Amino acid sequence: DAGITQSPRHKVTETGTPVTLRCHQTENHRYMYWYRQDPGHGLRLIHYSYGVKDTDKGEVSDGYSVSRSKTEDFLLTLESATSSQTSVYFCAIHGTGGTEAFFGQGTRLTVV
Amino acid sequence: EDQVTQSPEALRLQEGESSSLNCSYTVSGLRGLFWYRQDPGKGPEFLFTLYSAGEEKEKERLKATLTKKESFLHITAPKPEDSATYLCAGVSGNTPLVFGKGTRLSVIA
Repeated sequence: DAGITQSPRHKVTETGTPVTLRCHQTENHRYMYWYRQDPGHGLRLIHYSYGVKDTDKGEVSDGYSVSRSKTEDFLLTLESATSSQTSVYFCAIHGTGGTEAFFGQGTRLTVV
Repeated sequence: EDQVTQSPEALRLQEGESSSLNCSYTVSGLRGLFWYRQDPGKGPEFLFTLYSAGEEKEKERLKATLTKKESFLHITAPKPEDSATYLCAGVSGNTPLVFGKGTRLSVIA
């Protein structure tokens, strides 16, 4: 199995609170991604990183920020959680070129 | 804009009834086309990478093929344990992966 770990696996939080999800890899891959998955929408890209301190927005980036201070860690922060951010969040990693991506086990976030 | 479209959205098969899932893409400069399987409550699991038109990959009852505009995932004599959502994704150069919405496959015994 690819060395990718997401934490926490489950979280319930209140509207308006900040939340940080962590993705940790041991593969030294350049690219790291955060997706959210909701019924009827498939996987939607939130943010991605193509190197340390190099990040860019995806199609659903509003309300989210990311940071990557070292190769192995990619953090996703919800500055002020809203109920619309209730979802399952997946981190993925892949190397350069056309190499396949590997996914973490997901984080189920509920905002009440 | 790069896009990946999968069809059908859902497919229900009897055990042993072979069929195909479709993934059409408009990804300029495609470097790789990926197939994943996703079980409920789990992350997508990598199945295949296809790099060029005409390429085929096989694994047990699954065979993936690629043309210049689409990819097919053929399922031969499926079993109930093949029930899952199958996802297709494309990548071009250093741009992010582009995923389709998936096909939800149910195989009935």
